[in-house]
Amino acid sequence: NAGVMQNPRHLVRRRGQEARLRCSPMKGHSHVYWYRQLPEEGLKFMVYLQKENIIDESGMPKERFSAEFPKEGPSILRIQQVVRGDSAAYFCASSLLDREDTEAFFGQGTRLTVV
Amino acid sequence: KQEVTQIPAALSVPEGENLVLNCSFTDSAIYNLQWFRQDPGKGLTSLLLIQSSQREQTSGRLNASLDKSSGRSTLYIAASQPGDSATYLCAVFTSGTYKYIFGTGTRLKVLA
Repeated sequence: NAGVMQNPRHLVRRRGQEARLRCSPMKGHSHVYWYRQLPEEGLKFMVYLQKENIIDESGMPKERFSAEFPKEGPSILRIQQVVRGDSAAYFCASSLLDREDTEAFFGQGTRLTVV
Repeated sequence: KQEVTQIPAALSVPEGENLVLNCSFTDSAIYNLQWFRQDPGKGLTSLLLIQSSQREQTSGRLNASLDKSSGRSTLYIAASQPGDSATYLCAVFTSGTYKYIFGTGTRLKVLA
């Protein structure tokens, strides 16, 4: 059972381009979380998704950012018209259930650099 | 709104010392608390998970305790080694909101 897989590991985009970050949760996990880590800062919650549903997107910027977790395939975090301030590490986590024994498993992250 | 704070922000100790990292949270309605380790430029490695009904968890030289009523958790590292050098993060899984809120992290350096 592979862990949470994120790709690409590193992504360079020019200002104004689109960035697509992919996250494949652990097998059987139906809950996916996206976090952003700015340089020298902690992890900030962005969005929580279950299959085909966005449950909580309170941490997502209102513009240019979107996320999905389709019935088939990985979860996608999409950033349109990237700006330099979007440069960060984006981490995905998955979990099995929403209970007290729920454990979050994190991917290795995608490091986005906007030039 | 859940807020998670970690003290100290940075810690430098000689090899062999026992040390304690602190994590405090403002909302005690949590499902669980996890401690993670993050090496520079890397992802997160889960160290310990403590359920809300538990008081502590142990793994090797690591021991984590949870006092939900006072909103505190500690991570105890025994006989520290240079390989323990990393940033340690705690995260609380808050009831009702179903999301992990992270602390600010403690950057640990163990000197050989």
